[in-house]
Amino acid sequence: QKEVEQNSGPLSVPEGAIASLNCTYSDRGSQSFFWYRQYSGKSPELIMSIYSNGDKEDGRFTAQLNKASQYVSLLIRDSQPSDSATYLCAVNPPAGTALIFGKGTTLSVSS
Amino acid sequence: GAVVSQHPSWVICKSGTSVKIECRSLDFQATTMFWYRQFPKQSLMLMATSNEGSKATYEQGVEKDKFLINHASLTLSTLTVTSAHPEDSSFYICSARSGFTYEQYFGPGTRLTVT
Repeated sequence: QKEVEQNSGPLSVPEGAIASLNCTYSDRGSQSFFWYRQYSGKSPELIMSIYSNGDKEDGRFTAQLNKASQYVSLLIRDSQPSDSATYLCAVNPPAGTALIFGKGTTLSVSS
Repeated sequence: GAVVSQHPSWVICKSGTSVKIECRSLDFQATTMFWYRQFPKQSLMLMATSNEGSKATYEQGVEKDKFLINHASLTLSTLTVTSAHPEDSSFYICSARSGFTYEQYFGPGTRLTVT
């Protein structure tokens, strides 16, 4: 069964710190990887996509992909209280249609 | 980023009635649309996948006769909850994907309350 695993948290970091969110996936043939942010009571919002090994940076966010280890991570630099949300890792499996989502990691940034 | 709208944003209906939720991709053509349901403090649950002009594919355990999905065009999909019951009360979210990437963009969701 295809799975995406995330630590549910909560992950608590002080304002200004780096938050590190991790995700592992089971299907080695997966090619596309995504991070979504979901605020309480709202729908998910796509914040990062990554398709090849290495790092991809967008503002304060850096996604990291290691296909050999089947591992995806999201770093949030200079964390702000407004970053407090649930972060969902999603993977597009080979020959799959719908993304497979992890259960999400709750991040809490304290001021 | 791509924009997906949903209407209505919230709806209250009486038990036994039907409710239709619309999902539109506003600035791209969505070859595939997805419907999710999310209960409070729980994970997203995929209900069905629909491709334009084709019948929807429902996930195991989702009643296709109760949750009717129509993907009539490349920009519009609808979910009709038929004969709604209080246990159908939930947050229903659609998402859309263009044919060129695997990125899925979510609508703002519809909060359904069945009394």
